[in-house]
Amino acid sequence: AQKVTQAQTEISVVEKEDVTLDCVYETRDTTYYLFWYKQPPSGELVFLIRRNSFDEQNEISGRYSWNFQKSTSSFNFTITASQVVDSAVYFCALSEAKRGANSKLTFGKGITLSVRP
Amino acid sequence: KAGVTQTPRYLIKTRGQQVTLSCSPISGHRSVSWYQQTPGQGLQFLFEYFSETQRNKGNFPGRFSGRQFSNSRSEMNVSTLELGDSALYLCASSRDSQKYEQYFGPGTRLTVT
Repeated sequence: AQKVTQAQTEISVVEKEDVTLDCVYETRDTTYYLFWYKQPPSGELVFLIRRNSFDEQNEISGRYSWNFQKSTSSFNFTITASQVVDSAVYFCALSEAKRGANSKLTFGKGITLSVRP
Repeated sequence: KAGVTQTPRYLIKTRGQQVTLSCSPISGHRSVSWYQQTPGQGLQFLFEYFSETQRNKGNFPGRFSGRQFSNSRSEMNVSTLELGDSALYLCASSRDSQKYEQYFGPGTRLTVT
């Protein structure tokens, strides 16, 4: 069975601080996808990134960066120079990737990030 | 390109009633998935439809059902509502969820009293 653990439940930082959101996953699949979604107060889940288990290269997109380490089953998300607009709940998720797989997303419990001015 | 839309946004129902929620996916997307979000259980997968066929199903009772139309719009129905069905119901669309990422709508907040 698949499982995603986001051990941090709430994080509070001051604007311009860097913050890292941790994600640890469990799966027996050899191919899988990892995701991060952001849920602002409006409720809509906003897609941030999808990584294939074959691709361990880290990714940077503006102030966001992701560190994927298969050896430790982790897919951590770092926000550099945080801003108030980054305040939201962040979810890490996992799905199978093999042909004909069940594409359902297994989500972690989410991390509530508060960025104070 | 318009995003995923869900109607209604808010709904209040009484125990024992039934409810139908609607989801219009992004144009060109053939896959629609439904998720239930509650404070206690978090985000849980209900089912997925692709080209009008249910492709995958989560661990929910038969009171939860859905369908997809030829234009890819999807509806979700919950019969004999229980207090525990109060939740945010999120719909996600994808070109094909097995290959592409899923984009979520704003959700329908269902309150059962």
